[in-house]
Amino acid sequence: ETGVTQSPTHLIKTRGQQVTLRCSSQSGHNTVSWYQQALGQGPQFIFQYYREEENGRGNFPPRFSGLQFPNYSSELNVNALELDDSALYLCASGAGYTGELFFGEGSRLTVL
Amino acid sequence: TQLLEQSPQFLSIQEGENLTVYCNSSSVFSSLQWYRQEPGEGPVLLVTVVTGGEVKKLKRLTFQFGDARKDSSLHITAAQPGDTGLYLCAGEAGGTSYGKLTFGQGTILTVHP
Repeated sequence: ETGVTQSPTHLIKTRGQQVTLRCSSQSGHNTVSWYQQALGQGPQFIFQYYREEENGRGNFPPRFSGLQFPNYSSELNVNALELDDSALYLCASGAGYTGELFFGEGSRLTVL
Repeated sequence: TQLLEQSPQFLSIQEGENLTVYCNSSSVFSSLQWYRQEPGEGPVLLVTVVTGGEVKKLKRLTFQFGDARKDSSLHITAAQPGDTGLYLCAGEAGGTSYGKLTFGQGTILTVHP
């Protein structure tokens, strides 16, 4: 139990649709990082939010976007879904610049 | 772009055997973390190593960070079925890189009773 909760746990979409994934951070954590984990691969860094501002981005196109709210919960939005977007999406929260990252259980997205 | 090469990709061993997982890069990392991930769950941190040459032990697990901070290894002694899972190494580049981890591809370990 990491205190990081993600929703939904599973969802199925079709190509071209849009999806919003949500993450509730552990209390007191102001940093949230999002990762994409394809089947059989390690997670890949998508972007990070710190105090409601984007604070770094990995090699993902602009159709991947995010938000962080004043209560430090976060959203990942993906537009114009492609088949290759099928993956486990993980969020991880931390206290900022130090300390352990805590991962949620992920949202499993399937794009048909 | 920093990359972490993790090997082997798959390990299938009998209970009681020893094993080593390797994590190598051409880049220097300020810290190297090892995670374990169970099916349907997120990665859980096992250990963080930050000093070149550092060795950390966690019961039957021994973690090493290379002198040049480019490589690391995880050694498990007398593996048990409960050790089965996906093991991931992840590097942090330092500076403003907190939480922006570069992961290896993972090692799927299966320990048979």
